[in-house]
Amino acid sequence: QVQLQESGPGLVKPSQTLSLTCTVSGGSISSGSYYWSWIRQPAGKGLEWIGRIYTSGSTNYNPSLKSRVTISVDTSKNQFSLKLSSVTAADTAVYYCARENCGGDCYPDYWGQGTLVTVSS
Amino acid sequence: SYELTQPPSVSVSPGQTARITCSGDALPKKYAYWYQQKSGQAPVLVIYEDSKRPSGIPERFSGSSSGTMATLTISGAQVEDEADYYCYSTDSSGNHRGVVFGGGTKLTVL
Repeated sequence: QVQLQESGPGLVKPSQTLSLTCTVSGGSISSGSYYWSWIRQPAGKGLEWIGRIYTSGSTNYNPSLKSRVTISVDTSKNQFSLKLSSVTAADTAVYYCARENCGGDCYPDYWGQGTLVTVSS
Repeated sequence: SYELTQPPSVSVSPGQTARITCSGDALPKKYAYWYQQKSGQAPVLVIYEDSKRPSGIPERFSGSSSGTMATLTISGAQVEDEADYYCYSTDSSGNHRGVVFGGGTKLTVL
């Protein structure tokens, strides 16, 4: 069974770049009809889809975050990563990585446990 | 931007049927998906493609969709089903421009 684990700094200063990595185990990131995505959740609030990447490097981003987001993949390490630039306090959230099953629609079917990122000076 | 609308809260007694709705203009053409999120945990997929149940999800969880509304039904709700539930779908314009979650519904079972 596939497992995902987020890693990265838990504290980022305002105006800097948030960087997170998701390590996939239990299967190859390159196999199957799967995209790999990032989703976030501010404390006490709902889920917000950030974007996704296919192992070819093809990406899709949430239009509201597109100007600040970069998602990349490293198939040799079975990892994919998120960079969010020019962060503010509004970017403080639990960040989840997830596998998206794209047999027809794309939808997250496996999630990491999440990692809290706080934006503060 | 596309939106999915859920009631903020639903409350039932143990053993009763809980119904959580999700409305969206594209639901007649797009599938709905449902996630359960217990406190402090990551979301778990409980229904996909409107009404299909992943392996390991109890049979008391079911889904349906009609017109612009999808419904998650928990028949004989248990105390352990108390959680936040989110619907997920896309708008009709493409597979990424309108990827959204509903605002979430807090289910209380007591």
